[in-house]
Amino acid sequence: SQTIHQWPATLVQPVGSPLSLECTVEGTSNPNLYWYRQAAGRGLQLLFYSVGIGQISSEVPQNLSASRPQDRQFILSSKKLLLSDSGFYLCAWKGTYEQYFGPGTRLTVT
Amino acid sequence: EDQVTQSPEALRLQEGESSSLNCSYTVSGLRGLFWYRQDPGKGPEFLFTLYSAGEEKEKERLKATLTKKESFLHITAPKPEDSATYLCAVVIGNTPLVFGKGTRLSVIA
Repeated sequence: SQTIHQWPATLVQPVGSPLSLECTVEGTSNPNLYWYRQAAGRGLQLLFYSVGIGQISSEVPQNLSASRPQDRQFILSSKKLLLSDSGFYLCAWKGTYEQYFGPGTRLTVT
Repeated sequence: EDQVTQSPEALRLQEGESSSLNCSYTVSGLRGLFWYRQDPGKGPEFLFTLYSAGEEKEKERLKATLTKKESFLHITAPKPEDSATYLCAVVIGNTPLVFGKGTRLSVIA
């Protein structure tokens, strides 16, 4: 069966520091992968998606970037965090049309 | 303008008090509509996919239905453990899912 992992689970970082969040999927090959941010009152915001290694589509201009160095690995990064980057970050993989989410990373930028 | 609108934003029910959550969408060319459950501090858990008007899916106390412009999630005789945020999402063509903002359900014993 397929499983999706995210780490770390929680993170507190100062403004201006770098960021790296990792997502890995097991039990499936060449999945479509997604990064979302969830902020209170704003619902799920799609940040990036990838249909394959090295292929990244950005949905919104922002302080973040994504990379897919391996088939089942998706990384979300920032060179310098802003206060507005705080939120709950979710990774997901796509089944037929539905998506399956990981446990999430709670990021607090101080 | 939001493509997916969920109502109400929050709902408080007594245990055993049945009700429905609504998800309406303005897009055309719907390929599928999805319901998720999200507990605080966790990722959304997939519940149902609905593909065409008239389709229904059931799981325990939950039943999802779909019309041409909206979907309902009916909760029959809810229990406190049904308390969660319920999210609706749609897919059009090959685009990624578009999510509503969710309905926060509280079931009081």
